[in-house]
Amino acid sequence: RKEVEQDPGPFNVPEGATVAFNCTYSNSASQSFFWYRQDCRKEPKLLMSVYSSGNEDGRFTAQLNRASQYISLLIRDSKLSDSATYLCVVDDSSASKIIFGSGTRLSIRP
Amino acid sequence: NAGVTQTPKFQVLKTGQSMTLQCAQDMNHNSMYWYRQDPGMGLRLIYYSASEGTTDKGEVPNGYNVSRLNKREFSLRLESAAPSQTSVYFCASSENGLDQPQHFGDGTRLSIL
Repeated sequence: RKEVEQDPGPFNVPEGATVAFNCTYSNSASQSFFWYRQDCRKEPKLLMSVYSSGNEDGRFTAQLNRASQYISLLIRDSKLSDSATYLCVVDDSSASKIIFGSGTRLSIRP
Repeated sequence: NAGVTQTPKFQVLKTGQSMTLQCAQDMNHNSMYWYRQDPGMGLRLIYYSASEGTTDKGEVPNGYNVSRLNKREFSLRLESAAPSQTSVYFCASSENGLDQPQHFGDGTRLSIL
């Protein structure tokens, strides 16, 4: 099993739709979780950190499910500008590692 | 605010040539990182520096060396470039350690012929 797994997509949804994707991780000792977005041929940019209690930032909601070892990202009222690749990132501090998922590609159509 | 600055943005090398990728951050961060990103794969950590004066190997360190010149600057050196090192290289920094959000430079696209 990969340490961090994401559905590569692409997810192709109409503008205004709600879309959600998950990211599973293998190390139950992981403590820090993040979602980054990466536009084509650009650098990753932090979208949000994922806290145990879940967190929301405008149209974006992130959740952590420790029992099933996954994090999720929900995007409501999607915009054309949300089209990007979303990277899940999990730390493994005990091994001094940080693991990036391969990303989920999201395409919003008009 | 410049954030994290990488140079050069593009480079083409011949097999066996050497070069150094430069990275500087102006956010007073303690930790800095070098990653490579290949098609269809996640970013993979090459080396990192938790704080000034320390460096540690990441997931894919072979063929690379690093220098943490001072708190601001962290360079990556390819001593003898190989075609397998063709990739996009990203430098990043965080306030203090791997468990913190990272800020990325805009990358160096490196081709080894």
